[in-house]
Amino acid sequence: AQKVTQAQTEISVVEKEDVTLDCVYETRDTTYYLFWYKQPPSGELVFLIRRNSFDEQNEISGRYSWNFQKSTSSFNFTITASQVVDSAVYFCALSEAHAGGTSYGKLTFGQGTILTVHP
Amino acid sequence: DAMVIQNPRYQVTQFGKPVTLSCSQTLNHNVMYWYQQKSSQAPKLLFHYYDKDFNNEADTPDNFQSRRPNTSFCFLDIRSPGLGDAAMYLCATSRERLAGVYNEQFFGPGTRLTVL
Repeated sequence: AQKVTQAQTEISVVEKEDVTLDCVYETRDTTYYLFWYKQPPSGELVFLIRRNSFDEQNEISGRYSWNFQKSTSSFNFTITASQVVDSAVYFCALSEAHAGGTSYGKLTFGQGTILTVHP
Repeated sequence: DAMVIQNPRYQVTQFGKPVTLSCSQTLNHNVMYWYQQKSSQAPKLLFHYYDKDFNNEADTPDNFQSRRPNTSFCFLDIRSPGLGDAAMYLCATSRERLAGVYNEQFFGPGTRLTVL
């Protein structure tokens, strides 16, 4: 069965610090998708990135970057020069692509990391 | 803007009194999901619709039902809410990009349910 582990329950940093959120996953599928979502205090889950298992290229989007390493089953997320608006709960998630398409894109979430950025 | 809308944002009900939460989408996505999220926990999938086909998670209580009258709308019915059903309920949508390959899920703002 699939599993996602976010070992850091809470992280607290001061504005402008860099911060890395860890995510480790388990799956038996060879084809799968990894995601990061942000959940600010308002409650809505905001999509950040989708990565398929065949694409190990790192990605950078502004202050956000993601490091995908299949060898260690990790998909870590780094925020550079953090800001107070980055304070939120961040979820890493996994979706498997079962043969015949029976997964329906269902997400398995990690437990989330609460990030607090202090001014 | 295309989006996922949930109404109401806050719902208060009494123990045992049926309640219906609604979700609508303008994205024309063929898959819709309902999640339950309790405080400090990850979202937990209750069920989803692939077009009109309903798929229940094995551990979703019978107290929870869903309806999808058309592509745009999906409802979550809680027949007899208990105190343990107090939670945030999130609706999400996705599109099947290719056979068995799905895009990311887009979430609504959620409905926070309080049970008195």
